[in-house]
Amino acid sequence: QKEVEQDPGPLSVPEGAIVSLNCTYSNSAFQYFMWYRQYSRKGPELLMYTYSSGNKEDGRFTAQVDKSSKYISLFIRDSQPSDSATYLCAPGSNDYKLSFGAGTTVTVRA
Amino acid sequence: GAGVSQSPRYKVAKRGQDVALRCDPISGHVSLFWYQQALGQGPEFLTYFQNEAQLDKSGLPSDRFFAERPEGSVSTLKIQRTQQEDSAVYLCASSAGLAGNEQFFGPGTRLTVL
Repeated sequence: QKEVEQDPGPLSVPEGAIVSLNCTYSNSAFQYFMWYRQYSRKGPELLMYTYSSGNKEDGRFTAQVDKSSKYISLFIRDSQPSDSATYLCAPGSNDYKLSFGAGTTVTVRA
Repeated sequence: GAGVSQSPRYKVAKRGQDVALRCDPISGHVSLFWYQQALGQGPEFLTYFQNEAQLDKSGLPSDRFFAERPEGSVSTLKIQRTQQEDSAVYLCASSAGLAGNEQFFGPGTRLTVL
């Protein structure tokens, strides 16, 4: 079993819909949680960074962490075609490595 | 520069050739990471530098892989005697601090071994 499991997708949603992305993890040592967006043939771009349970909001993006159930989520409100990309969850621990999920590919239809 | 840069962006090698991939981190960033990303997968950790010291190379898949960062800035990932299974995107990331800091990624080098 991988340390980080991510809903495989792909997801296809109409413009304006809410996108919900989820990951579970098994390593209790994970202390901080990042979400990256990766466009085709580009490097991952940091979207959200949080290190505590609860919600963190940034514009149309909300990251949610539940350490007790080892569950992390990313919500995208009012989705736009420009949000079409692969989204990667990446928890990390004090050994500085990030452990990535396999990614969920999202397509927002105009 | 404003971000992490990598070169070349694309590399095609014949099996058995040696390749060298370069990473220019964000200026002043202490930490530098190399990751390998197979098609349809998330990045997998290869190695970590804190300044010029290679503190962790546990993710390097074999002794054909070697990384260095001699002056604590630019880093090179070298792969000797390339094999087809080495075909992947190699990503470099840098971070201003130590553990727990945001990692910023470069565009990657796509290596294809024929």
